Amino acid sequence: KQEVTQIPAALSVPEGENLVLNCSFTDSAIYNLQWFRQDPGKGLTSLLLIQSSQREQTSGRLNASLDKSSGRSTLYIAASQPGDSATYLCAVSGGANSKLTFGKGITLSVRP
Amino acid sequence: GAVVSQHPSWVICKSGTSVKIECRSLDFQATTMFWYRQFPKQSLMLMATSNEGSKATYEQGVEKDKFLINHASLTLSTLTVTSAHPEDSSFYICSARGRMRREKGNEQFFGPGTRLTVL
Repeated sequence: KQEVTQIPAALSVPEGENLVLNCSFTDSAIYNLQWFRQDPGKGLTSLLLIQSSQREQTSGRLNASLDKSSGRSTLYIAASQPGDSATYLCAVSGGANSKLTFGKGITLSVRP
Repeated sequence: GAVVSQHPSWVICKSGTSVKIECRSLDFQATTMFWYRQFPKQSLMLMATSNEGSKATYEQGVEKDKFLINHASLTLSTLTVTSAHPEDSSFYICSARGRMRREKGNEQFFGPGTRLTVL
């Protein structure tokens, strides 16, 4: 059974800092991995999707990397801003038609 | 990215009543829709998966007679919470996945969620 872990559960950083959010999964046989953002009381916004054959994806100040063999992914946020404050969830899929298995998320607070 | 809407965004109902939540894919055909629930400060818990035109597949521990799911078209799925009780109060989120698109890797797109409060 796939398990996804995100540690720490919460993180507080000053504005402008570059930061890395970690995600680990137990079964390396994944199809893809997604990073999501969730604001309080809201749904999920997809940030980046990495196929199992890819090593990284970039979108603006965000960069996600994937090391499938070691069961790890990182989300790098450059020059963090208070607007980046949210919960960040990673999720993995075992196949094209498989469900997503979510981590519990990391609640990020960026202090002005 | 693709857009998924949910209606209503919040609902308050009395215990024993039924509540229907709609999930729509606005600009793509959703061959598969997923329903999740989320408790405060917890991650999403998958309740069921529905494919257009077929019965939903429920996760272990989810009562299919209590949480009725209908996916009658490629753009609409509904979740009906029957005889709702206070313990059903939660945040319900749907997601949709379209036809296989290599560049998107079968990405899931999420709705904004529905806050259900049962008094």
